[in-house]
Amino acid sequence: AQSVTQPDIHITVSEGASLELRCNYSYGATPYLFWYVQSPGQGLQLLLKYFSGDTLVQGIKGFEAEFKRSQSSFNLRKPSVHWSDAAEYFCAVGAVQNQGGKLIFGQGTELSVKP
Amino acid sequence: SAVISQKPSRDICQRGTSLTIQCQVDSQVTMMFWYRQQPGQSLTLIATANQGSEATYESGFVIDKFPISRPNLTFSTLTVSNMSPEDSSIYLCSVPGGGGYTFGSGTRLTVV
Repeated sequence: AQSVTQPDIHITVSEGASLELRCNYSYGATPYLFWYVQSPGQGLQLLLKYFSGDTLVQGIKGFEAEFKRSQSSFNLRKPSVHWSDAAEYFCAVGAVQNQGGKLIFGQGTELSVKP
Repeated sequence: SAVISQKPSRDICQRGTSLTIQCQVDSQVTMMFWYRQQPGQSLTLIATANQGSEATYESGFVIDKFPISRPNLTFSTLTVSNMSPEDSSIYLCSVPGGGGYTFGSGTRLTVV
């Protein structure tokens, strides 16, 4: 079955500290992997995506993620967290467009940032 | 990537009534997706809407409750019918393109 697991429902980090949000997936085909951020009352914003090639991808706002096929993981990282990063983060997996194109989302990880 | 205009942004509705949500895309797209995000939950796909054919619904969602129209390649509507408080959620449309997926800003629905 296709699924995405984000093991951490809620994480709190201090401002300036590093961050890693975990994401594991189960997907039969070649996955397209995404990280989205949702701030309170806002829509979804794409942080980064992985389709192929270099397994370390850079995104917006200083985020990066590493695709590890052997571990079926796509963890999101940021070296130094800012207070404005407090939000809900969703990992998602999908197929190429001609295979259906829909996204399967993880449960989300809520990030709180301590001053 | 595409730009989506989704309306309304929020609404408070009486139980038993229906609400139609609109999504307008600034470019032609074959597929459009409708998602539901229940309070404190992740996004769940309701249906996939292709122009010129009936929408394909995911398990647990039925056309009578969530009828979808897709009259052309830039527009779609989702209706939430005979609403109950359990339908209180954020509803989002999404389209693929540009190597990713773009989402509308969402419709926050509260049923009282």
